[in-house]
Amino acid sequence: AQRVTQPEKLLSVFKGAPVELKCNYSYSGSPELFWYVQYSRQRLQLLLRHISRESIKGFTADLNKGETSFHLKKPFAQEEDSAMYYCALRSGGYQKVTFGIGTKLQVIP
Amino acid sequence: DAGVIQSPRHEVTEMGQEVTLRCKPISGHNSLFWYRQTMMRGLELLIYFNNNVPIDDSGMPEDRFSAKMPNASFSTLKIQPSEPRDSAVYFCASSLWGEGNQPQHFGDGTRLSIL
Repeated sequence: AQRVTQPEKLLSVFKGAPVELKCNYSYSGSPELFWYVQYSRQRLQLLLRHISRESIKGFTADLNKGETSFHLKKPFAQEEDSAMYYCALRSGGYQKVTFGIGTKLQVIP
Repeated sequence: DAGVIQSPRHEVTEMGQEVTLRCKPISGHNSLFWYRQTMMRGLELLIYFNNNVPIDDSGMPEDRFSAKMPNASFSTLKIQPSEPRDSAVYFCASSLWGEGNQPQHFGDGTRLSIL
């Protein structure tokens, strides 16, 4: 069974401080990992997918298969980064996506 | 493209009533997903369709919930009878599967309150 764990329900950081949102997964095959962001009362939007290896809005995430992690990082937090962040896993070849419970990022001005 | 369109945006009704949530996926997408979002459990997949056929409904909580996809551009999620514990935000998402396996695109959600 696949599982996504986001250990922090709430993460508060000061503006300008580094951010790391943790995500660990459990899956025996080759997973696809994603980060979705949900701003207040808006729809979920795709932020990153590991196969793209890109940086969006200053965020990056590296898949570490040894540690089964896909942590989301940003060197300098901005107030507009305040949102809910969901880590998600899709098993290779299948459509079903498993989401973590989400981490609320609060950037303090 | 307007994206995934859900209606209504908000629904408030009394327990015991039938509730119907609607979703129009992105044109050309062949997969559609229904999720329920709550504070306690986060995002839970209820059911998903591929080419209008239900593939996995293991997340549907009980027989009071049903979902249909009569054609490629429309799906409904129905709760009958509704109960207060069904109060949540229900999201619909769609994706194109089979050509690069694109990620899911979400609608704005329906905020459901059962009194």
